[in-house]
Amino acid sequence: GDSVTQMEGPVTLSEEAFLTINCTYTATGYPSLFWYVQYPGEGLQLLLKATKADDKGSNKGFEATYRKETTSFHLEKGSVQVSDSAVYFCALSDGAAGNKLTFGGGTRVLVKP
Amino acid sequence: AAGVIQSPRHLIKEKRETATLKCYPIPRHDTVYWYQQGPGQDPQFLISFYEKMQSDKGSIPDRFSAQQFSDYHSELNMSSLELGDSALYFCASSHSTTIKQETQYFGPGTRLLVL
Repeated sequence: GDSVTQMEGPVTLSEEAFLTINCTYTATGYPSLFWYVQYPGEGLQLLLKATKADDKGSNKGFEATYRKETTSFHLEKGSVQVSDSAVYFCALSDGAAGNKLTFGGGTRVLVKP
Repeated sequence: AAGVIQSPRHLIKEKRETATLKCYPIPRHDTVYWYQQGPGQDPQFLISFYEKMQSDKGSIPDRFSAQQFSDYHSELNMSSLELGDSALYFCASSHSTTIKQETQYFGPGTRLLVL
């Protein structure tokens, strides 16, 4: 079945540092890939998405590129802020498997001033 | 822009009681998904509906049932509650196309505590 694996946290960074969160996936079809962010005590917010190979999703300084050859969708941000502290979830939606989202385990990011 | 609405936001129940969670999707969204997120865990898919018909089923216990109504809102009914049902329950909605499902947008969740 489909699965998503992302690096375990917590990831602790200083403000303005570079952030990378690795995400790899397995899927039977041609999935769409997503990054969702969950701030403390809140729901899931869509951060960015990519629907086909080599697509790059970007939002709020975050980027991720859909790499079919390495089945990866790593999240990057060049200069993090304290307000980026949250839990980040990589997820896929596989049309061949009913379009439900399959999530990775989440990565907690803590940015210190 | 209108978002997904869930009610109640918080719910406390005793073991063996029942609970009903409600979800109001974004206007013109025809698909609703339910997810369960245990403490410190990733969300797990429970069930989904498209145009008022069940479209997919995940790890939903037999004690739970759900439906989507004519106005597209959905309700998740949970009976014989157990301590392990304590979790954050998310509803998400999307607008399907003939080609591919659109992005799912999540509500704020209902936090259920079973004592």
